[in-house]
Amino acid sequence: KNEVEQSPQNLTAQEGEFITINCSYSVGISALHWLQQHPGGGIVSLFMLSSGKKKHGRLIATINIQEKHSSLHITASHPRDSAVYICAVPFNQAGTALIFGKGTTLSVSS
Amino acid sequence: DTGVSQDPRHKITKRGQNVTFRCDPISEHNRLYWYRQTLGQGPEFLTYFQNEAQLEKSRLLSDRFSAERPKGSFSTLEIQRTEQGDSAMYLCASSSPAPFYGYTFGSGTRLTVV
Repeated sequence: KNEVEQSPQNLTAQEGEFITINCSYSVGISALHWLQQHPGGGIVSLFMLSSGKKKHGRLIATINIQEKHSSLHITASHPRDSAVYICAVPFNQAGTALIFGKGTTLSVSS
Repeated sequence: DTGVSQDPRHKITKRGQNVTFRCDPISEHNRLYWYRQTLGQGPEFLTYFQNEAQLEKSRLLSDRFSAERPKGSFSTLEIQRTEQGDSAMYLCASSSPAPFYGYTFGSGTRLTVV
């Protein structure tokens, strides 16, 4: 079974700061998800990536398959980015269900 | 297609009662997943369907829990004899045949057992 570790657990930032959230996992995978959850809200998929880097607006996700590590970056952070960011990887090498990290709670103040 | 729909959004029930939740996946997705999320934790996998076949079940899915997907479209999750520890957000997700492609979550059903 895969294990997923996220850091930091909590993150506070001032508007405009560059944010980095890290995710490490224990078992080789084919793809990794970054997800966003607002308080009381559903989960929105931000990225699914299997190699290299993806960019969407101010969000950038990178993955290093050999090192079993991924990062989510937010450039020019804004209060509306305040949410829980969750990393998720396959449950095991055979399965397609996901196992989730505990999430990073980001709070951006103006 | 409006994404993954879950019904109801909220459910309050008395301990010992049975509850049933419904999930309607994206129509072209043949894979459907149920997860449970408790406060402050990431979601935990419960079970997975490919079409109508239930292919994986977590040990979290006790014998009081049952999930079905009778025609390979919508799915139901039933909890019998609810306990206070069952209070959580129950999330449904669906994806296409290509592994992880188009993985989409519903908004969840929040269950409160009193």
